[in-house]
Amino acid sequence: GAGVSQSPSNKVTEKGKDVELRCDPISGHTALYWYRQRLGQGLEFLIYFQGNSAPDKSGLPSDRFSAERTGESVSTLTIQRTQQEDSAVYLCASSFQGSSYEQYFGPGTRLTVT
Amino acid sequence: AQSVTQLDSQVPVFEEAPVELRCNYSSSVSVYLFWYVQYPNQGLQLLLKYLSGSTLVKGINGFEAEFNKSQTSFHLRKPSVHISDTAEYFCAVRPMIYNQGGKLIFGQGTELSVKP
Repeated sequence: GAGVSQSPSNKVTEKGKDVELRCDPISGHTALYWYRQRLGQGLEFLIYFQGNSAPDKSGLPSDRFSAERTGESVSTLTIQRTQQEDSAVYLCASSFQGSSYEQYFGPGTRLTVT
Repeated sequence: AQSVTQLDSQVPVFEEAPVELRCNYSSSVSVYLFWYVQYPNQGLQLLLKYLSGSTLVKGINGFEAEFNKSQTSFHLRKPSVHISDTAEYFCAVRPMIYNQGGKLIFGQGTELSVKP
């Protein structure tokens, strides 16, 4: 079956603009994660959705970042008033419910803020 | 809180030589441990994981890792590398906290460069 897909693959935006990144998880996966990978660094956890439970937003770096998920399907990560330090690859992952299940990662969206 | 340290940012090695990529972690609770690989211009792929049981775990592409609880380490090894192993390798932990989801805490990554 299809893996995790993300769109767009690349996004260049001007400082101060809002951007929206999309993630389509693997069908049947109840858990969805967003991570950020800055150049030369490891991945940072941003937010986690599990079914109808309240999302874990503990990794969001500022109130300019928000995310939504419709049921157990598509998620969008929104960054308002983008700053140059927001430039990174944004990765989405999904998994079955349960902390021992493997997370499957999408190819990422490369965001460049000029 | 948890943290993961990958001790080498870059590891150059010749083809068919053995390699070890080092990973140490810090955590106040028990953790699951993972190694992911990221090939150039591709997404992350799981290499192997330690959940419980035998401390020596085998993964894909001939890689293995050993969990050492006393040293809080989870080093990745391969006895003979190929050019195709050139990639970025990430060590990650997931704290075993009930009802806290499965968020991963990653190290900074190790770039493995295999030369002919």
